[in-house]
Amino acid sequence: SYELTQPPSVSVSPGQTARITCSGDALPKQYVYWFQQKPGQAPVLVIYKDSERPSGIPERFSGSSSGTTVTLTISGVQAEDEADYYCQSADSSATYKVFGGGTKLTVL
Amino acid sequence: QVQLVQSGAEVKKPGASVKVSCKASGYTFTSYDINWVRQATGQGLEWMGWMNPNSGNTGYAQKFQGRVTMTRDTSISTAYMELSSLRSDDSAVYYCWIFSYWGQGTLVTVSS
Repeated sequence: SYELTQPPSVSVSPGQTARITCSGDALPKQYVYWFQQKPGQAPVLVIYKDSERPSGIPERFSGSSSGTTVTLTISGVQAEDEADYYCQSADSSATYKVFGGGTKLTVL
Repeated sequence: QVQLVQSGAEVKKPGASVKVSCKASGYTFTSYDINWVRQATGQGLEWMGWMNPNSGNTGYAQKFQGRVTMTRDTSISTAYMELSSLRSDDSAVYYCWIFSYWGQGTLVTVSS
């Protein structure tokens, strides 16, 4: 079955830039969506269609794509950004959706 | 505004079935596919499948095929996800989801 690969954890100090990657063979063909999830809460969409930001999401969140890897970048990380981040996409035929394993962002 | 309101927590015995509901409001129910996702405690998000509320067409993750059934009642703008032959590792929070909107989650506990 199709898989998306994320690093299990990323740590940054406040004010620094955090980059979380997501890799998958079908990513050149399928959009990626990024979700932020804090403990005990439902996920929140922070990036859609690789690089679009929903209304209400701070400008420090951005997304980019290059080949089979997409990257969520959080510039000027704040303590409130500490959360789990999940990428989501689909297989090459768009039949099945899939989530990455998640990345725990720790703000030191 | 769009809201997805799910049914309450369930406790089931192994081998039983559970049916979770998701009542939609704030948009035309038949306009968007509804997805179901689950999350075991301390684990990641796991996509289970989708349903088109207009046609009733469904698509299930291979892992759940044969055990999951997604249905809807358009008269009350409600989607349902039924999972059968429950095992202890089916204990999780189950979410309905469309684009950027998520239900509040339904905790399903499978225990003898």
